[in-house]
Amino acid sequence: AQSVTQLDSQVPVFEEAPVELRCNYSSSVSVYLFWYVQYPNQGLQLLLKYLSGSTLVKGINGFEAEFNKSQTSFHLRKPSVHISDTAEYFCAVSRITSGTYKYIFGTGTRLKVLA
Amino acid sequence: ETGVTQSPTHLIKTRGQQVTLRCSSQSGHNTVSWYQQALGQGPQFIFQYYREEENGRGNFPPRFSGLQFPNYSSELNVNALELDDSALYLCASSSQPQETQYFGPGTRLLVL
Repeated sequence: AQSVTQLDSQVPVFEEAPVELRCNYSSSVSVYLFWYVQYPNQGLQLLLKYLSGSTLVKGINGFEAEFNKSQTSFHLRKPSVHISDTAEYFCAVSRITSGTYKYIFGTGTRLKVLA
Repeated sequence: ETGVTQSPTHLIKTRGQQVTLRCSSQSGHNTVSWYQQALGQGPQFIFQYYREEENGRGNFPPRFSGLQFPNYSSELNVNALELDDSALYLCASSSQPQETQYFGPGTRLLVL
């Protein structure tokens, strides 16, 4: 079975400090990996994605993530956070099964940036 | 360029009723995916439509059904509503099934 685990439900961090949001997945086949951000009362916005190639992926708003196949992880990082980064962050995987796509999201990590 | 839009924004129904939610995909996109997001949870994949055909389905019962129209807009229909169907329903469109999904703001459904 395929699953996505976000190890931290909430992460408080002070402004301008670095942050890492953890994501682990389980899958017996190759997958695509994504991070999305959701601001209150809004839909999801793509931060970055890994399809293939370089394992370090850079996204919008200064975020980056590293794909680690041996540890089946795709952790999200930002070297210096801002108050405006306060939001819910979701890790997701997708894969093709019999020519169709299935997407699985983690339960989310609430990032709270403190002044 | 118009983004993904969904209607209505909010909806209240009672158990046993039926509901139809609508989604207009972004211009140039032929793929629409639907998700259910319960409070405090991540989105759960319901199904995907690609060029008017279902192209993948999550673990949802048959009372969740959908349509995609020639202009690639889409509907999600839920029959025999249950209390647990209360959630935010998100629609996402993409230019191909494997490409980046762009999400709409969602429809919040409350079942009483």
